[in-house]
Amino acid sequence: AQSVTQPDIHITVSEGASLELRCNYSYGATPYLFWYVQSPGQGLQLLLKYFSGDTLVQGIKGFEAEFKRSQSSFNLRKPSVHWSDAAEYFCAVGARGGSYIPTFGRGTSLIVHP
Amino acid sequence: EPEVTQTPSHQVTQMGQEVILRCVPISNHLYFYWYRQILGQKVEFLVSFYNNEISEKSEIFDDQFSVERPDGSNFTLKIRSTKLEDSAMYFCASRSTQGLDEETQYFGPGTRLLVL
Repeated sequence: AQSVTQPDIHITVSEGASLELRCNYSYGATPYLFWYVQSPGQGLQLLLKYFSGDTLVQGIKGFEAEFKRSQSSFNLRKPSVHWSDAAEYFCAVGARGGSYIPTFGRGTSLIVHP
Repeated sequence: EPEVTQTPSHQVTQMGQEVILRCVPISNHLYFYWYRQILGQKVEFLVSFYNNEISEKSEIFDDQFSVERPDGSNFTLKIRSTKLEDSAMYFCASRSTQGLDEETQYFGPGTRLLVL
């Protein structure tokens, strides 16, 4: 069964600084990978996804993520964080050829200082 | 852009009462899901539904839970006799079965359930 680890429970950055949120997964083959964002009181919004092809994927709101097979990682990045990016970020992995039910990580809470 | 909607946004109930959470999936989607997120914890899969039947369920989805698609647009989750530990945010999701987006689930805003 697949699993996801988000090693950072909280990340604090200053507005305008760069951001990297870590995600490591465990799966026997190439998985489907997702990043979702959950703003306070809101649902889960898909930021980006990786299925195949280019390992650097672009998402909404200026986010990107890079799939590194050798490191079993799918880290999320943004070059300049805005105060509105403060939210909970979830990495998820889905099995290929299965029911496409993603397994979520525990989430990383992003705090943005002005 | 089409989206998944859920009602109510918040529900407070007494332990032992029945609750029904409602979802309207994206109109051309055929797979529907329920997840829950206990405060401060992971999002957990409950059940998936396709072609008017449950296709997969987790161990959380016991006999107290049921799902139904009562008409062509709604998808409901019923908890027959709520327990304190059912307090959580419940998310509905749906996905298409065609094209480049086949693998992606789209989530609703959630219903926050509080059992007292």
